[in-house]
Amino acid sequence: EDKVVQSPLSLVVHEGDTVTLNCSYEVTNFRSLLWYKQEKKAPTFLFMLTSSGIEKKSGRLSSILDKKELFSILNITATQTGDSAVYLCAVEDTTSGTYKYIFGTGTRLKVLA
Amino acid sequence: EAGVAQSPRYKIIEKRQSVAFWCNPISGHATLYWYQQILGQGPKLLIQFQNNGVVDDSQLPKDRFSAERLKGVDSTLKIQPAKLEDSAVYLCASSLLFRGISPLHFGNGTRLTVT
Repeated sequence: EDKVVQSPLSLVVHEGDTVTLNCSYEVTNFRSLLWYKQEKKAPTFLFMLTSSGIEKKSGRLSSILDKKELFSILNITATQTGDSAVYLCAVEDTTSGTYKYIFGTGTRLKVLA
Repeated sequence: EAGVAQSPRYKIIEKRQSVAFWCNPISGHATLYWYQQILGQGPKLLIQFQNNGVVDDSQLPKDRFSAERLKGVDSTLKIQPAKLEDSAVYLCASSLLFRGISPLHFGNGTRLTVT
């Protein structure tokens, strides 16, 4: 069965700390992996990864994919209280031509001032 | 560009009642998704449309849930009759391409409470 597992489930850090969030997956036909940030409403898109070893970067956030070991990490450096959110990982599976995204349960990050 | 619009934002109903949610995707986005997100869990796909055709509804509880996208633009999701376990946030998302790689863009969701 296809699955996406995120760890840790929750994390509490202080402002200025660096965090690493993990996403491992098992899908039949992998095509892409997406990271989202979810505060109190809509998940907002952060990164899309399709190739191994190529880092995507946006400000203090960065992400990389390892298609051999079937995982991705999301790094946040110099964390701020505004980074407090649930971070969701989704993997696209193209089995049977349906192009379906499977989400993990998310990592809840709380950044303390 | 305007984002994915959903209404209502909140809905409280009693079990066995019916409810409907509406979604208008980003203009030009061919693919539309309905997800159910139960508290503490990740979103779970209920149904995926490509234009006005259903691509995947394998996880839609068809005895009580129905969805349509008649003109290939906006969509409605209905639950009839509702159960307590249907309490969740219902998220609509759209993406530009179907077989091409493009991210999902989500609406703010409808929070449903079934009492």
